[in-house]
Formats: sequence, structure tokens, C-alpha cells
Amino acid sequence: GAGVSQSPRYKVAKRGQDVALRCDPISGHVSLFWYQQALGQGPEFLTYFQNEAQLDKSGLPSDRFFAERPEGSVSTLKIQRTQQEDSAVYLCASSLDGTGGTEAFFGQGTRLTVV
Amino acid sequence: SQQGEEDPQALSIQEGENATMNCSYKTSINNLQWYRQNSGRGLVHLILIRSNEREKHSGRLRVTLDTSKKSSSLLITASRAADTASYFCATVPIYNQGGKLIFGQGTELSVKP
Repeated sequence: GAGVSQSPRYKVAKRGQDVALRCDPISGHVSLFWYQQALGQGPEFLTYFQNEAQLDKSGLPSDRFFAERPEGSVSTLKIQRTQQEDSAVYLCASSLDGTGGTEAFFGQGTRLTVV
Repeated sequence: SQQGEEDPQALSIQEGENATMNCSYKTSINNLQWYRQNSGRGLVHLILIRSNEREKHSGRLRVTLDTSKKSSSLLITASRAADTASYFCATVPIYNQGGKLIFGQGTELSVKP
């Protein structure tokens, strides 16, 4: 596809349930990022991949959060034992290279609601 | 944690007027970017300004950067109702590899027809 694709668009999870969020970046983009956006706030960085290597996971809020990009393209963000505070929009972005000097392209996001 | 602060938090103007949004940040940067987010949708990149640039234009957008004051401004001229959205500045810190973006809290712009 032409843009970054995320699925599902909406997810309702019962507290304690595990969820998996998928991101298809733009083909050929080296860098992939996950962000978490709470209502009325700016996005907050979670983790960063350069190809299949996870170079920065400093923003992951707890060990319940896990991300992977095994073949350097599609990425999955997994949240185990979801809590109400995990409710947010999860945004994926990709960029062409790993220099930080190019724009990032964002997906539409997955809105997670934990009930 | 957020890198910067944006001012104002909300702005309401009439169509045809100019809108100015300001952003301040804390650490030295590689570049600063502005993004727009329409309600319930992803972010769209508007413009990127590098740390050695002072001003940049793109259509009706004008961005300035003052690295001595660690601040930037986004000017939208001749606003339209379709410009109604949230606007975020985001910085790429100079120490950062890979382009991790540090976002501000955003300015909610409402343009009334």
C-alpha cells in the first residue's frame, strides 16, 4: 500500500486480556516507531526499530509491553494483561532511513479501550 | 515525557485570518517538525526545519526556528475551515539516533467559516 497501515482500527479488551496490534510500514522504510497517545495529549514514544533490530525501547511503560519486527517490515506491539491505564491510541510510524533527518509517515492508529 | 510546550493550547479564528502557534523545547535538536492531526486520524507531516535553518515556507505555512531560545513558530496564512485540526511540534534531539520524535502537547485550532 501507499501508506502505513495499522490493524485493528479499534480494539476493546477486557482487563487482563492480551492484545496484539499490527503495523505495516511503507515498503522499504528502514525505521519504524511506535507511539502511545492519550486523549488530548501529544504522542509519546514507545519503541524504535531499524530494520529488524530494536534499537530503543526506553519508552515502553512496563514489561507487559513487547514489540517485534522479525523480518524488518511488519511490526507487532503486544500488550499482556491489559490494564485500564493502557487505554489510548497506539500510533505506528515509518521513515525512509535511520538518520532522523527525514519525515515520519504515520498510520491511522489503533484505539485501544480496556474495560 | 514531553519535550516541549505549545502555546496556545487552543486557538479559534475566522476563515481568512492568520493563525500562529508557538513551540518551545528543552534540549538541543537535529531538526524540528510540525504535524497536523484531524480528529480521530493519524498525524500528517507538514514541514521539517533543520537546526541550521531559521525559516522555511511551504504553501500557506511558514515556520521559524530560534535555536538560541529553543523555540519555533508555525504560521498558517489565510486560514480555511479545513485547517481545523490539532497541530503538534516534534523535535529530533541531537543525541538521538534514528529519528525518535519528542512531541509537544499540541495546539487545537478551530477555523470558523
